[in-house]
Amino acid sequence: DIQMTQSPSSLSASVGDRVTITCRASQSISRYLNWYQQKPGKAPNLLISGAYSLQSGVPSRFSGSGSGTEFTLTISSLQPEDFATYYCQQSYSTPYAFGQGTKLEIK
Amino acid sequence: QLQLQESGPGLVKPSETLLLTCTVSGGSISSTSYYWGWIRQPPGKGLEWIGSIYYSGSTYYNPSLKSRLTIHIETSKNQFSLHLNSVTAADTAVYYCARENDSRGFDHWGQGTLVTVSS
Repeated sequence: DIQMTQSPSSLSASVGDRVTITCRASQSISRYLNWYQQKPGKAPNLLISGAYSLQSGVPSRFSGSGSGTEFTLTISSLQPEDFATYYCQQSYSTPYAFGQGTKLEIK
Repeated sequence: QLQLQESGPGLVKPSETLLLTCTVSGGSISSTSYYWGWIRQPPGKGLEWIGSIYYSGSTYYNPSLKSRLTIHIETSKNQFSLHLNSVTAADTAVYYCARENDSRGFDHWGQGTLVTVSS
């Protein structure tokens, strides 16, 4: 089974900051990597699929990159609504696996 | 607009069967482009993929749950369901149903339903 590891587990940042979250796969997953945002009490929301493809309606300050085993999610200028928990997920092979999450908090 | 809605009991006794249904509206569950999946999240913890089903009935399950798990699809009702037997407290979680977009992630989710396993 493929394991997904995110870093950091938590992150404090300020509005306007640029932040990067890293996700590593235990083996190559090509570009089959998706990013989700989850706010408390809500279902996850797909932000990016295929490592870098922004979903419709997702602000352009979000971007994804990487391939193989290392991936990043970058938020170029944090907005108040971006404080949430972020998960990566591999869709290369089953069983699909999620990272443990990165909680982005206000500094 | 596609919507998914989970339904089922919020409390299940240990050793019994957890049964949840996901009703899809605003789109056909018989579409050849998508799988339909279940994901769960224990309170305060991360996400775990449970399994997915195609309109034809083809399934794939998480091996960690496979011995206790069955996912069904009923295209005439635009619904799919989750059956998890012999539950324990470790199965307490928010259960989500979602649409899987051809290996491009889960792009539509239900609101989730909390299932507590307790006597």
